[in-house]
Amino acid sequence: KAGVTQTPRYLIKTRGQQVTLSCSPISGHRSVSWYQQTPGQGLQFLFEYFSETQRNKGNFPGRFSGRQFSNSRSEMNVSTLELGDSALYLCASRGGQGSYKNIQYFGAGTRLSVL
Amino acid sequence: DAKTTQPNSMESNEEEPVHLPCNHSTISGTDYIHWYRQLPSQGPEYVIHGLTSNVNNRMASLAIAEDRKSSTLILHRATLRDAAVYYCILFNFGNEKLTFGTGTRLTIIP
Repeated sequence: KAGVTQTPRYLIKTRGQQVTLSCSPISGHRSVSWYQQTPGQGLQFLFEYFSETQRNKGNFPGRFSGRQFSNSRSEMNVSTLELGDSALYLCASRGGQGSYKNIQYFGAGTRLSVL
Repeated sequence: DAKTTQPNSMESNEEEPVHLPCNHSTISGTDYIHWYRQLPSQGPEYVIHGLTSNVNNRMASLAIAEDRKSSTLILHRATLRDAAVYYCILFNFGNEKLTFGTGTRLTIIP
């Protein structure tokens, strides 16, 4: 099976702009989670979508939003970009059985730079 | 969320075993212990997980203390490709999100 695919790999935006990141999960996986990774804060959970519904949410402002489509692909949107939004954004999907259903498979991430 | 404590960094010689410790004194009965690692310029990668019993897979072994307040990830024969940040995470079915700590940066010395 193909792994989790995130596009684009790199993005450069300026303050005030908005950005949309895309994630294609492993085939058959219905859960997609998003994480932000920065040198100062480490890996932080943003939100999780399952069957097009947001199931879990981290402590991020409303500028961060997401959605999931019927084919399980997911997008994350950040509006009114701030310098502090510069980070590696990671997407992960899961969908195994039993205790293995909690194993998350990560993409390579999208590196966002806000100037 | 239950917390985990890991050393910030460790070094090991190539081709020797590596024991990466993790303390989780506030673990609940339903928390699974997960280990992930993140190689440079990549997303985290699942390594192993367990609940109460020791576990083995092709990548590593997980030794869980009898009281479950600590665990150890064992790489049996470290290679240069094992150099990464290793994260010990508690996963609860009720919460269902991964809460990453700062992890242990493992350096392998040739």
